[in-house]
Amino acid sequence: EPEVTQTPSHQVTQMGQEVILRCVPISNHLYFYWYRQILGQKVEFLVSFYNNEISEKSEIFDDQFSVERPDGSNFTLKIRSTKLEDSAMYFCASGYDLGREAFFGQGTRLTVV
Amino acid sequence: EDQVTQSPEALRLQEGESSSLNCSYTVSGLRGLFWYRQDPGKGPEFLFTLYSAGEEKEKERLKATLTKKESFLHITAPKPEDSATYLCAVQAGTSYDKVIFGPGTSLSVIP
Repeated sequence: EPEVTQTPSHQVTQMGQEVILRCVPISNHLYFYWYRQILGQKVEFLVSFYNNEISEKSEIFDDQFSVERPDGSNFTLKIRSTKLEDSAMYFCASGYDLGREAFFGQGTRLTVV
Repeated sequence: EDQVTQSPEALRLQEGESSSLNCSYTVSGLRGLFWYRQDPGKGPEFLFTLYSAGEEKEKERLKATLTKKESFLHITAPKPEDSATYLCAVQAGTSYDKVIFGPGTSLSVIP
């Protein structure tokens, strides 16, 4: 069964460093998303991406964040200068149609120290 | 402001003891409601999508229903492997992309 894969599963970084989280969405999907979940809290929408551009972003997704689809298979989330409060589980998701369900990866646990 | 709440926060059931989880929403123009299951340290796993009041979906021991203000996830004769956090999420308003998640119900099924 096709699945969304994310790497790494766990990343530890120093405050102020740049991190790139990587995702390989399901191959025939056209819509891509990043969500985050701070420990013990709700899953929160960050950004959606379609046709090589951001289609929507939340208030959380400020200038420190960027997304890219550098080739036909990968989808990345970059955080330019990490803060302690960026520590969370980051989930990539993909969907095959607008307004339909998204399928999530297993997440990358980001720890900023 | 769009809001999604879930109750109870946590639920312990004996194996075979049926029950229901509630998801209440106050949103401007519901486009879709999703149920996900999340195991500890894992990503949400898709269960159901509901689009209109009166709609029902079933999968094994789970059945999801939708009214104009809430959704229920009914669990019939649960097994220990059904233990997980069940998340409700809504898509509303003018956005087809942004999904608002509820806080989840943590279900424990005791053998």
